[in-house]
Amino acid sequence: DIQMTQSPSSLSASVGDRVIITCRASQGIGNYLAWYQQKPGKPPQLLIYAASTLQSGVPSRFSGSGSGTDFTLTITSLQPEDVATYYCQKYNCDPETFGGGTKVDIK
Amino acid sequence: EVQLVESGGGLVQPGGSLRLSCAASGFTFSRYWMSWVRQAPGKGPEWVANIKEDGGETYYLDSVKGRLTVSRDNAKNSLYLQMNSLRAEDTAVYYCAKGADVRPSAFFDYWGQGTLVTVTS
Repeated sequence: DIQMTQSPSSLSASVGDRVIITCRASQGIGNYLAWYQQKPGKPPQLLIYAASTLQSGVPSRFSGSGSGTDFTLTITSLQPEDVATYYCQKYNCDPETFGGGTKVDIK
Repeated sequence: EVQLVESGGGLVQPGGSLRLSCAASGFTFSRYWMSWVRQAPGKGPEWVANIKEDGGETYYLDSVKGRLTVSRDNAKNSLYLQMNSLRAEDTAVYYCAKGADVRPSAFFDYWGQGTLVTVTS
């Protein structure tokens, strides 16, 4: 099975900072990559799919890029409401594997 | 508004059984692949199973094959997960999730709030 590795596992940044989270697939997955945001006690919420397409209603400060094996999620100006854990998910084939998560908080 | 509401979770002993349900509304349920995704305490999400629009195809995570069975009733807009021979490692919040693609493998654009399954003696 294809493994998804996220880095870092956690980060602390100031409001207004640019934040970059990376996700690496153990084999190429084309652009079949989604990103989710999860706040404590809530289900994951879709942010981005097809590696770079923003889900409707998601703020434009979130963006995604990459293809093949290397992907990034960027938050251009971190806001207090962005405190959450972020997960990547590959969906080129079953199983639809998630990364281990990146916990983001405010410095 | 799309809503997915899970029920049926609880405390069960190893080797026991549970049946989870998910009531869907706000979209044409019969047109979408549906999945169950679980999340163990402090861990990331883990896809468990999915089922085709008409129920004619199902796929499972290797570790649950032969023990968990996904099904659906399109007339009732409902998704089910029959869980048998439960193990401690099945302890998790189980989410019902709507597939957002016509392919079996998909990302998930809507999730329920989840139901907790705890397997312990």
